[in-house]
Amino acid sequence: AQSVTQPDIHITVSEGASLELRCNYSYGATPYLFWYVQSPGQGLQLLLKYFSGDTLVQGIKGFEAEFKRSQSSFNLRKPSVHWSDAAEYFCAVGPREGGYNKLIFGAGTRLAVHP
Amino acid sequence: DTAVSQTPKYLVTQMGNDKSIKCEQNLGHDTMYWYKQDSKKFLKIMFSYNNKELIINETVPNRFSPKSPDKAHLNLHINSLELGDSAVYFCASSQDFLSGGFFGPGTRLTVL
Repeated sequence: AQSVTQPDIHITVSEGASLELRCNYSYGATPYLFWYVQSPGQGLQLLLKYFSGDTLVQGIKGFEAEFKRSQSSFNLRKPSVHWSDAAEYFCAVGPREGGYNKLIFGAGTRLAVHP
Repeated sequence: DTAVSQTPKYLVTQMGNDKSIKCEQNLGHDTMYWYKQDSKKFLKIMFSYNNKELIINETVPNRFSPKSPDKAHLNLHINSLELGDSAVYFCASSQDFLSGGFFGPGTRLTVL
């Protein structure tokens, strides 16, 4: 069955520290991969996406993610976290084929940032 | 200008009532979606419309009926509301799958 796993429900880091949020997927073939951020009381905003090519993708707000086919992972990273990065982060996958769009989301990782 | 807007932002109602949530996008996208986010923050697609035509219906109870009067609007009507319908409902739109979708701010539905 297709699924997305975000192993860490809650992560706390200090401001200025580096961050890595984990995402693993189970899919029939390499899917399209996305990371979204949801700030409190807000909708989801797309941070970055991977379709093909360079396995290290850059996104907005200083985030990057690396696709590792052998590990079925698409981990999100940021070298130095800012207090405004505190939010919920969702990894999502979608089919390359099918003729329709359907994202499958992970359960999310809540990031807290200590000053 | 807001890309994807939803009304209302909050909706509190009694069990058994019928309610609607409206969604509008001004991005010119062909495809619109409804997602449900439960109390554990788990997001799941409910419906998708492409050019006013239903293309995804993810085993949602038939108390939920989406309606797309034109490709810029996708409304969600819910009949006979139940406690388990309490959630945040997100509307989204996309021109194609590669864009990943633009999400609205959500409607928090509370059924008492």
